[in-house]
Amino acid sequence: DAGITQSPRHKVTETGTPVTLRCHQTENHRYMYWYRQDPGHGLRLIHYSYGVKDTDKGEVSDGYSVSRSKTEDFLLTLESATSSQTSVYFCATSPGLGRNTEAFFGQGTRLTVV
Amino acid sequence: GQQLNQSPQSMFIQEGEDVSMNCTSSSIFNTWLWYKQDPGEGPVLLIALYKAGELTSNGRLTAQFGITRKDSFLNISASIPSDVGIYFCAGKDSTGNQFYFGTGTSLTVIP
Repeated sequence: DAGITQSPRHKVTETGTPVTLRCHQTENHRYMYWYRQDPGHGLRLIHYSYGVKDTDKGEVSDGYSVSRSKTEDFLLTLESATSSQTSVYFCATSPGLGRNTEAFFGQGTRLTVV
Repeated sequence: GQQLNQSPQSMFIQEGEDVSMNCTSSSIFNTWLWYKQDPGEGPVLLIALYKAGELTSNGRLTAQFGITRKDSFLNISASIPSDVGIYFCAGKDSTGNQFYFGTGTSLTVIP
Protein backbone atom coordinates (compact mmCIF):
# COMPACT_ATOMS: atom_id res chain seq x y z
CA ASP A 1 0.00 0.00 0.00
CA ALA A 2 1.05 3.56 -0.69
CA GLY A 3 2.21 5.51 2.33
CA ILE A 4 -0.68 7.92 2.77
CA THR A 5 -1.13 9.86 5.98
CA GLN A 6 -4.14 12.02 6.72
CA SER A 7 -4.21 14.58 9.47
CA PRO A 8 -5.96 15.16 11.69
CA ARG A 9 -7.78 11.83 12.11
CA HIS A 10 -10.62 13.45 14.02
CA LYS A 11 -11.79 17.04 14.26
CA VAL A 12 -14.73 18.87 15.74
CA THR A 13 -15.24 22.41 14.56
CA GLU A 14 -17.86 25.13 14.74
CA THR A 15 -20.09 26.27 11.93
CA GLY A 16 -18.55 29.11 9.97
CA THR A 17 -14.93 28.37 10.79
CA PRO A 18 -12.35 27.43 8.15
CA VAL A 19 -10.89 23.95 8.34
CA THR A 20 -7.93 22.43 6.52
CA LEU A 21 -7.32 18.72 6.16
CA ARG A 22 -3.95 17.42 5.05
CA CYS A 23 -2.96 14.44 2.97
CA HIS A 24 0.68 13.43 2.75
CA GLN A 25 2.03 10.66 0.52
CA THR A 26 5.47 9.11 0.28
CA GLU A 27 5.00 7.19 -3.01
CA ASN A 28 5.56 10.02 -5.48
CA HIS A 29 2.15 9.35 -7.04
CA ARG A 30 1.06 11.90 -9.58
CA TYR A 31 -2.66 11.88 -8.84
CA MET A 32 -4.27 12.73 -5.53
CA TYR A 33 -7.96 12.78 -4.68
CA TRP A 34 -10.25 13.95 -1.91
CA TYR A 35 -13.47 12.03 -1.31
CA ARG A 36 -16.20 12.31 1.25
CA GLN A 37 -18.08 9.27 2.50
CA ASP A 38 -21.62 9.52 3.77
CA PRO A 39 -24.19 6.80 4.50
CA GLY A 40 -26.14 5.92 1.39
CA HIS A 41 -23.82 7.86 -0.91
CA GLY A 42 -20.65 5.85 -0.97
CA LEU A 43 -17.51 7.75 -1.90
CA ARG A 44 -18.01 11.03 -3.72
CA LEU A 45 -15.20 12.97 -5.32
CA ILE A 46 -14.64 16.50 -4.05
CA HIS A 47 -11.49 17.61 -5.90
CA TYR A 48 -8.50 15.94 -7.42
CA SER A 49 -5.02 16.90 -8.54
CA TYR A 50 -3.10 15.64 -11.55
CA GLY A 51 0.16 17.38 -10.67
CA VAL A 52 1.69 20.17 -8.63
CA LYS A 53 -0.60 23.20 -8.86
CA ASP A 54 -2.94 21.27 -11.21
CA THR A 55 -6.35 20.59 -9.72
CA ASP A 56 -9.90 20.05 -10.89
CA LYS A 57 -13.36 19.83 -9.40
CA GLY A 58 -15.20 16.66 -8.65
CA GLU A 59 -18.85 15.86 -8.14
CA VAL A 60 -19.34 17.71 -4.81
CA SER A 61 -16.84 20.58 -4.87
CA ASP A 62 -19.04 23.45 -3.62
CA GLY A 63 -17.73 24.85 -0.34
CA TYR A 64 -14.33 23.21 -0.73
CA SER A 65 -11.00 24.30 -2.12
CA VAL A 66 -7.72 22.45 -2.55
CA SER A 67 -4.08 23.19 -3.02
CA ARG A 68 -1.09 21.14 -4.07
CA SER A 69 2.21 22.98 -3.79
CA LYS A 70 4.32 19.82 -3.53
CA THR A 71 3.91 16.36 -5.03
CA GLU A 72 3.55 14.79 -1.62
CA ASP A 73 0.95 17.11 -0.07
CA PHE A 74 -2.68 17.76 -0.98
CA LEU A 75 -4.70 20.08 1.24
CA LEU A 76 -8.48 20.28 1.44
CA THR A 77 -9.97 23.47 2.88
CA LEU A 78 -13.53 24.02 3.98
CA GLU A 79 -13.77 27.76 3.61
CA SER A 80 -16.65 28.18 6.07
CA ALA A 81 -17.69 24.88 7.57
CA THR A 82 -21.38 23.93 7.58
CA SER A 83 -23.18 21.05 9.28
CA SER A 84 -23.73 19.43 5.88
CA GLN A 85 -19.97 19.00 5.65
CA THR A 86 -19.95 16.67 8.63
CA SER A 87 -18.54 13.54 7.04
CA VAL A 88 -15.61 11.19 6.79
CA TYR A 89 -13.00 12.47 4.35
CA PHE A 90 -10.62 10.18 2.51
CA CYS A 91 -7.56 11.02 0.52
CA ALA A 92 -6.46 8.69 -2.25
CA THR A 93 -3.48 8.57 -4.57
CA SER A 94 -2.77 6.95 -7.91
CA PRO A 95 0.49 6.61 -9.82
CA GLY A 96 -0.95 7.89 -13.07
CA LEU A 97 -3.54 7.28 -15.70
CA GLY A 98 -1.93 4.60 -17.75
CA ARG A 99 -4.00 1.54 -18.48
CA ASN A 100 -3.10 -0.34 -15.31
CA THR A 101 -3.63 2.07 -12.47
CA GLU A 102 -5.10 1.73 -9.02
CA ALA A 103 -6.13 4.08 -6.26
CA PHE A 104 -4.83 3.76 -2.70
CA PHE A 105 -6.53 5.30 0.31
CA GLY A 106 -5.54 6.94 3.54
CA GLN A 107 -7.22 6.08 6.83
CA GLY A 108 -9.66 8.95 6.75
CA THR A 109 -10.51 12.06 8.74
CA ARG A 110 -13.75 12.18 10.67
CA LEU A 111 -14.98 15.78 10.68
CA THR A 112 -17.88 16.97 12.80
CA VAL A 113 -19.26 20.47 12.32
CA VAL A 114 -21.35 21.66 15.25
CA GLY B 1 -21.06 11.62 -13.09
CA GLN B 2 -20.96 7.94 -13.85
CA GLN B 3 -23.41 5.76 -11.99
CA LEU B 4 -22.22 2.47 -10.53
CA ASN B 5 -24.93 0.19 -9.24
CA GLN B 6 -23.68 -2.28 -6.68
CA SER B 7 -25.75 -5.15 -5.36
CA PRO B 8 -26.77 -6.41 -2.99
CA GLN B 9 -26.66 -3.52 -0.53
CA SER B 10 -26.22 -5.90 2.38
CA MET B 11 -25.76 -9.59 3.02
CA PHE B 12 -26.08 -11.75 6.11
CA ILE B 13 -24.53 -15.17 5.68
CA GLN B 14 -23.39 -18.12 7.74
CA GLU B 15 -19.70 -18.77 8.19
CA GLY B 16 -18.49 -21.13 5.48
CA GLU B 17 -20.94 -19.96 2.83
CA ASP B 18 -19.90 -18.45 -0.48
CA VAL B 19 -20.71 -14.83 -1.32
CA SER B 20 -21.35 -13.12 -4.64
CA MET B 21 -21.77 -9.44 -5.36
CA ASN B 22 -21.72 -7.42 -8.53
CA CYS B 23 -21.38 -3.95 -9.92
CA THR B 24 -22.76 -2.49 -13.14
CA SER B 25 -22.03 0.79 -14.85
CA SER B 26 -23.88 2.89 -17.38
CA SER B 27 -20.83 3.08 -19.60
CA ILE B 28 -17.75 1.13 -20.54
CA PHE B 29 -14.82 0.95 -18.13
CA ASN B 30 -11.26 -0.15 -18.80
CA THR B 31 -10.41 -0.78 -15.16
CA TRP B 32 -12.40 -2.41 -12.38
CA LEU B 33 -11.22 -2.40 -8.78
CA TRP B 34 -12.59 -4.08 -5.68
CA TYR B 35 -12.00 -2.73 -2.17
CA LYS B 36 -12.81 -3.79 1.38
CA GLN B 37 -13.37 -1.28 4.14
CA ASP B 38 -13.28 -2.14 7.84
CA PRO B 39 -14.99 0.15 10.39
CA GLY B 40 -12.98 3.30 11.01
CA GLU B 41 -10.48 2.53 8.27
CA GLY B 42 -9.92 3.48 4.67
CA PRO B 43 -10.75 1.17 1.76
CA VAL B 44 -8.08 -1.41 1.02
CA LEU B 45 -7.56 -2.68 -2.52
CA LEU B 46 -8.37 -6.37 -2.94
CA ILE B 47 -8.29 -7.03 -6.67
CA ALA B 48 -7.61 -5.02 -9.82
CA LEU B 49 -8.92 -6.00 -13.27
CA TYR B 50 -7.77 -4.49 -16.57
CA LYS B 51 -9.11 -6.64 -19.41
CA ALA B 52 -12.59 -7.72 -20.46
CA GLY B 53 -13.19 -11.31 -19.42
CA GLU B 54 -10.26 -11.29 -17.00
CA LEU B 55 -10.67 -13.53 -13.96
CA THR B 56 -8.34 -12.80 -11.04
CA SER B 57 -8.03 -14.42 -7.63
CA ASN B 58 -6.62 -13.26 -4.33
CA GLY B 59 -6.84 -16.12 -1.85
CA ARG B 60 -10.53 -16.92 -1.34
CA LEU B 61 -11.56 -13.91 -3.40
CA THR B 62 -12.19 -14.07 -7.14
CA ALA B 63 -13.24 -11.18 -9.33
CA GLN B 64 -14.16 -10.97 -12.97
CA PHE B 65 -14.17 -8.15 -15.49
CA GLY B 66 -17.40 -8.54 -17.46
CA ILE B 67 -17.28 -9.19 -21.20
CA THR B 68 -19.45 -6.14 -21.90
CA ARG B 69 -16.96 -4.00 -19.88
CA LYS B 70 -19.96 -2.57 -18.04
CA ASP B 71 -19.93 -4.95 -15.10
CA SER B 72 -17.76 -6.80 -12.63
CA PHE B 73 -18.30 -9.54 -10.07
CA LEU B 74 -16.68 -10.45 -6.78
CA ASN B 75 -16.97 -13.86 -5.17
CA ILE B 76 -15.78 -14.86 -1.71
CA SER B 77 -15.56 -18.56 -1.02
CA ALA B 78 -15.93 -20.23 2.38
CA SER B 79 -16.54 -17.00 4.27
CA ILE B 80 -14.97 -16.43 7.68
CA PRO B 81 -15.76 -13.85 10.40
CA SER B 82 -12.92 -11.54 9.33
CA ASP B 83 -14.60 -11.11 5.93
CA VAL B 84 -17.07 -8.78 7.66
CA GLY B 85 -16.95 -5.27 6.23
CA ILE B 86 -18.10 -3.14 3.35
CA TYR B 87 -17.01 -4.07 -0.14
CA PHE B 88 -16.79 -1.40 -2.83
CA CYS B 89 -16.37 -1.64 -6.54
CA ALA B 90 -14.69 1.12 -8.48
CA GLY B 91 -14.20 1.73 -12.16
CA LYS B 92 -12.30 3.98 -14.46
CA ASP B 93 -12.97 4.79 -18.09
CA SER B 94 -10.51 5.84 -20.76
CA THR B 95 -11.62 9.45 -20.95
CA GLY B 96 -11.19 10.90 -17.50
CA ASN B 97 -8.97 11.25 -14.50
CA GLN B 98 -11.44 9.86 -12.03
CA PHE B 99 -12.36 6.63 -10.32
CA TYR B 100 -16.08 6.04 -9.81
CA PHE B 101 -17.34 4.07 -6.83
CA GLY B 102 -20.32 1.89 -6.08
CA THR B 103 -22.31 2.49 -2.89
CA GLY B 104 -20.99 -0.65 -1.27
CA THR B 105 -22.13 -4.08 -0.10
CA SER B 106 -22.19 -4.57 3.66
CA LEU B 107 -21.26 -8.15 4.56
CA THR B 108 -22.08 -9.75 7.89
CA VAL B 109 -20.81 -13.25 8.62
CA ILE B 110 -22.61 -15.15 11.34
CA PRO B 111 -20.33 -17.64 13.15
